[in-house]
Amino acid sequence: QQPVQSPQAVILREGEDAVINCSSSKALYSVHWYRQKHGEAPVFLMILLKGGEQKGHDKISASFNEKKQQSSLYLTASQLSYSGTYFCGTDGGSQGNLIFGKGTKLSVKP
Amino acid sequence: DTAVSQTPKYLVTQMGNDKSIKCEQNLGHDTMYWYKQDSKKFLKIMFSYNNKELIINETVPNRFSPKSPDKAHLNLHINSLELGDSAVYFCASSQDFHRGYTFGSGTRLTVV
Repeated sequence: QQPVQSPQAVILREGEDAVINCSSSKALYSVHWYRQKHGEAPVFLMILLKGGEQKGHDKISASFNEKKQQSSLYLTASQLSYSGTYFCGTDGGSQGNLIFGKGTKLSVKP
Repeated sequence: DTAVSQTPKYLVTQMGNDKSIKCEQNLGHDTMYWYKQDSKKFLKIMFSYNNKELIINETVPNRFSPKSPDKAHLNLHINSLELGDSAVYFCASSQDFHRGYTFGSGTRLTVV
């Protein structure tokens, strides 16, 4: 029941946009997004709750389509600081058990 | 003022040894977790404690034993270490699942 992320990796130039997708084979009630920079801990970006709302965090936003059981993370006008591995996490159903996808490695070049 | 702190940051040990990793959070959160991140960056839940009580115990060898003396601390003890235990172990805490987790900086365990 691990969510599936795509693409596995993406390379961007500064200022370019990217989309990272997260899909699940089971019904979703919420989707978390985290970013992990090399050698550091994952950092919480945002959570999307059932209802399809789109949320934003600086120039990073996300959407959630519970009917399609998927979420997308949008990175606009990427900056060097956006580099890292992005993980989506879905509710494992056991009192807050978060199941993470395998991650998408984002590299932003000057 | 570190929110979730883990010690040690690095741990190198021989196969067969027993070791412990400590975790403390000063956020007042009720729930704490242990995650294992392997060499391919896969983050997998191991245990979850809510207010000192074990909530989640995923398929983890019983050589791994968590201990929560109070809700601010969740330690991980590993017996008879094996090569496959080499990984980065992250402690995390949350007050409300819908507010996300705060992770510690991780403990890199290397078994030789």
